[in-house]
Amino acid sequence: DAGVIQSPRHEVTEMGQEVTLRCKPISGHNSLFWYRQTMMRGLELLIYFNNNVPIDDSGMPEDRFSAKMPNASFSTLKIQPSEPRDSAVYFCASTLGAYGQYFGPGTRLTVT
Amino acid sequence: KNEVEQSPQNLTAQEGEFITINCSYSVGISALHWLQQHPGGGIVSLFMLSSGKKKHGRLIATINIQEKHSSLHITASHPRDSAVYICAVRYPDKLIFGTGTRLQVFP
Repeated sequence: DAGVIQSPRHEVTEMGQEVTLRCKPISGHNSLFWYRQTMMRGLELLIYFNNNVPIDDSGMPEDRFSAKMPNASFSTLKIQPSEPRDSAVYFCASTLGAYGQYFGPGTRLTVT
Repeated sequence: KNEVEQSPQNLTAQEGEFITINCSYSVGISALHWLQQHPGGGIVSLFMLSSGKKKHGRLIATINIQEKHSSLHITASHPRDSAVYICAVRYPDKLIFGTGTRLQVFP
């Protein structure tokens, strides 16, 4: 298996632009998680899905952030409009039931 | 107060030394994870445990549910073990992360 796939790996954009991050979980996994990592706050859960349904989005910072999982093999995290404070590494992870999480390589987002 | 606290924050060691990283948490959990993040940024799950002890190669993880405490041990440390080690607890269905322990092992 290729593991969790994220794209793009790096994204540089200007403030105010829309940013879309993509994630393909491991086939057969039924839960998907979006995390954000910054130097100041470390790793934080943004949202997670179980069987494609959003279960907990309490970590989503504000209305500028939205996430979707239209099917079991694809999820997006969108930021519109982006701001410099959104600069971070965004990780996607997937898991099957109560087993350990498998992390993607992350997307490094820089908003100028 | 953070729900998950790790110590130490930074750790340096000479190759071959025995290393211990500690994690304390304040909530009732269903499982605890130890993660490793290499300088390149990738995150690897090392262990998931809910009781007792697990061993994988030179790595050993223990957990004491009553004391709400876990330790990660590295025996015969090697420079390739240099990374950030992150403790995370599952509460109730999502992970809450510690701030990590940065380990540097020198030859």
